[in-house]
Amino acid sequence: GQNIDQPTEMTATEGAIVQINCTYQTSGFNGLFWYQQHAGEAPTFLSYNVLDGLEEKGRFSSFLSRSKGYSYLLLKELQMKDSASYLCAVMDSNYQLIWGAGTKLIIKP
Amino acid sequence: DAMVIQNPRYQVTQFGKPVTLSCSQTLNHNVMYWYQQKSSQAPKLLFHYYDKDFNNEADTPDNFQSRRPNTSFCFLDIRSPGLGDAAMYLCATSRATGGGPNEQFFGPGTRLTVL
Repeated sequence: GQNIDQPTEMTATEGAIVQINCTYQTSGFNGLFWYQQHAGEAPTFLSYNVLDGLEEKGRFSSFLSRSKGYSYLLLKELQMKDSASYLCAVMDSNYQLIWGAGTKLIIKP
Repeated sequence: DAMVIQNPRYQVTQFGKPVTLSCSQTLNHNVMYWYQQKSSQAPKLLFHYYDKDFNNEADTPDNFQSRRPNTSFCFLDIRSPGLGDAAMYLCATSRATGGGPNEQFFGPGTRLTVL
């Protein structure tokens, strides 16, 4: 079966750095997406990786290793507004998005 | 601003009473998706349209139906809602379904309560 694993919950301090990991086992791979979802709201797109390596976008970076079936989302200079769930999703060989359950990130002052 | 709009934002229905959720988009995207998301769970794809081509997920109950009368609009019909259908229903769009950064753009969701 297809599977996406992420930690259920993480806690970090305002101003710090946090890394959210995602491991996946899917039938084929056509890219990995990270989405942010605030409580009661829709997911919003953060990043896309299809090649190995690091993609940087402001305070957020996303890394991919296809051989290890592994990605992480790195958030720097954390702000209170970064408190949200972060969902990892992989596009499989049928171009379907397989979603993780999300990591709830709690930011403390 | 180009966007995905869902109405209503909150819907309350009675057990077994049909309900229709609507979604519209101004992005002119070819693909529209309906997801069901329960608390602390991954979004679950119910079906999607590529233009007028309907694609149903194998495990989507028959209780859920969809219509896409034109490019801009898509509807989710729940024929006989059960208590287990209470969830957030998310509509999303994308330009295409192929490879590449075809990220999905989500509407704000409709939270369905079944009494």
